[in-house]
Amino acid sequence: KNQVEQSPQSLIILEGKNCTLQCNYTVSPFSNLRWYKQDTGRGPVSLTIMTFSENTKSNGRYTATLDADTKQSSLHITASQLSDSASYICVVSEIAGGGNKLTFGTGTQLKVEL
Amino acid sequence: ETGVTQTPRHLVMGMTNKKSLKCEQHLGHNAMYWYKQSAKKPLELMFVYNFKEQTENNSVPSRFSPECPNSSHLFLHLHTLQPEDSALYLCASSRRSGSGGNEQFFGPGTRLTVL
Repeated sequence: KNQVEQSPQSLIILEGKNCTLQCNYTVSPFSNLRWYKQDTGRGPVSLTIMTFSENTKSNGRYTATLDADTKQSSLHITASQLSDSASYICVVSEIAGGGNKLTFGTGTQLKVEL
Repeated sequence: ETGVTQTPRHLVMGMTNKKSLKCEQHLGHNAMYWYKQSAKKPLELMFVYNFKEQTENNSVPSRFSPECPNSSHLFLHLHTLQPEDSALYLCASSRRSGSGGNEQFFGPGTRLTVL
């Protein structure tokens, strides 16, 4: 069964610090991987999308990496801000008959404190 | 705002009630989705509609009944729910389904509590 596992489950950091969130997956055949940010009381919003051939992609202070060989991805947040407090969800797309199928991770809950 | 709106934002209902959730997208997309998000569990895909036609039903109990009158509107009709159905129900849309490169845009969700 295809799975997406994220770690840590939750994380508390001080404002201004960096952090890295991990995503390991077993989805195959792989199509792409997205990181979503979900603020409390809101729906998820896409931060980055990476395909098989991409190793790194940045979106402002967010940098995602992908190692398709080891089936691992990370999301690095630089100089964290209070507004970064949210759940970060890793979503892997699988090439399936008739189209693509998404597998969602359970998310990492990040809290940035003063 | 993502261009996907959901109403109501919060709903409390008894097990014998009938209620409906509404979703509207202003993005010109052709695919719409219902997801269930429970605490500490991954998002669970419930239904997919493409050009108003249901293309996926992930073994969802019949007490959840979707309706898609056009590509911009999606409803989820609820009746005789159970307390374990309490969750955040998210609606999403994309240009079309079945293509992983198409980003799904999510609404803010309806927080449902079943007493």
